[in-house]
Amino acid sequence: NAGVTQTPKFQVLKTGQSMTLQCAQDMNHEYMSWYRQDPGMGLRLIHYSVGAGITDQGEVPNGYNVSRSTTEDFPLRLLSAAPSQTSVYFCATREVWGGSFEQYFGPGTRLTVT
Amino acid sequence: DAKTTQPPSMDCAEGRAANLPCNHSTISGNEYVYWYRQIHSQGPQYIIHGLKNNETNEMASLIITEDRKSSTLILPHATLRDTAVYYCIVRVGNGGSQGNLIFGKGTKLSVKP
Repeated sequence: NAGVTQTPKFQVLKTGQSMTLQCAQDMNHEYMSWYRQDPGMGLRLIHYSVGAGITDQGEVPNGYNVSRSTTEDFPLRLLSAAPSQTSVYFCATREVWGGSFEQYFGPGTRLTVT
Repeated sequence: DAKTTQPPSMDCAEGRAANLPCNHSTISGNEYVYWYRQIHSQGPQYIIHGLKNNETNEMASLIITEDRKSSTLILPHATLRDTAVYYCIVRVGNGGSQGNLIFGKGTKLSVKP
């Protein structure tokens, strides 16, 4: 039982490049989300999903795309990387209805855009 | 915007109780109080949550005032490993999008030997 996994752990991009951050979970959780954390700041919600085929925007969605084709995976796509997207990205999951109130976070992906 | 107010930093001596306050004066009747912590640069970790009553688990205790406008997270015997940023969050239960966690800047707790 791996919980929430994120790949890659570190990434350096040049301005204008695109890439996909991967998030996978093996807990059969309906809810998955992406956050970014800038130095000295709290986490800000980018996008979230309450089930396969359903996604919605969070606080800071611009410059990012998501899709949810399976329960297990929730990739985050950077369409054209900008230095302002240099951050640590966290994926998180939880149940949607009932059960545990606990949200589980992945270890993070550290992205630098030059 | 986060619905909570926390002091930016606190110190605590190792072995003593750490009491972390949180103000949430605009909390609604159906909103829970959650506490998470983030050690160094790891992903946040759930600690405890509550609605009205005080709660205790193996990690901490949560004391919620009767009017629910503030709460205190208590780490009974702080260790160096408890040094982290602690986030107090209010949100509606667990249902769908209403359950999104909105983080503020939290309180940086430093446990000193």
